[in-house]
Amino acid sequence: DTAVSQTPKYLVTQMGNDKSIKCEQNLGHDTMYWYKQDSKKFLKIMFSYNNKELIINETVPNRFSPKSPDKAHLNLHINSLELGDSAVYFCASSQDLGSPVGYTFGSGTRLTVV
Amino acid sequence: GESVGLHLPTLSVQEGDNSIINCAYSNSASDYFIWYKQESGKGPQFIIDIRSNMDKRQGQRVTVLLNKTVKHLSLQIAATQPGDSAVYFCAEKLYTGKLIFGQGTTLQVKP
Repeated sequence: DTAVSQTPKYLVTQMGNDKSIKCEQNLGHDTMYWYKQDSKKFLKIMFSYNNKELIINETVPNRFSPKSPDKAHLNLHINSLELGDSAVYFCASSQDLGSPVGYTFGSGTRLTVV
Repeated sequence: GESVGLHLPTLSVQEGDNSIINCAYSNSASDYFIWYKQESGKGPQFIIDIRSNMDKRQGQRVTVLLNKTVKHLSLQIAATQPGDSAVYFCAEKLYTGKLIFGQGTTLQVKP
């Protein structure tokens, strides 16, 4: 049973397209996150939601829009994809904003924009 | 600004030896420091954390040391095994839940 699952695992698309990445967690956690990992493996937070409420919104182009229909799901929609959006995107969840124990990452979605 | 840095990009050790991975941080507004292990094709996996008011914590084969005076964090892995080969990240967790990651150190274990 995968705790934090993302789909798709791989996504290859052309510049200018719009795409979505889905994330679901079955841990009963209240908080979910999106992180971006670049080609140098640097991980940086993009967004976080706590009980469907946006908590963190880093300096991310507004082409990126997260949506949380319920606290078990946090999807990421990207409009007008650019070459620089190519990266691995990780969804994560945690019990709450407190203890890091249980802060669990998905296995990532590798996005390639051509 | 916010930054967490690692001293070495790659660490190569002999199987059975102890490994020490170091990390420097600059942000003081954190409640926890955490080490993650990332294997190829997978997401970061929690190894061990330490609360900001502690200076040492031990787990199974791993020890984390925190020196707040010099803003330095280290991960010690005892009796390193081939399965320990991965990229290791230090991260600091802010009260908002946000994790600030370091650049990552690749640990290579030689048989």
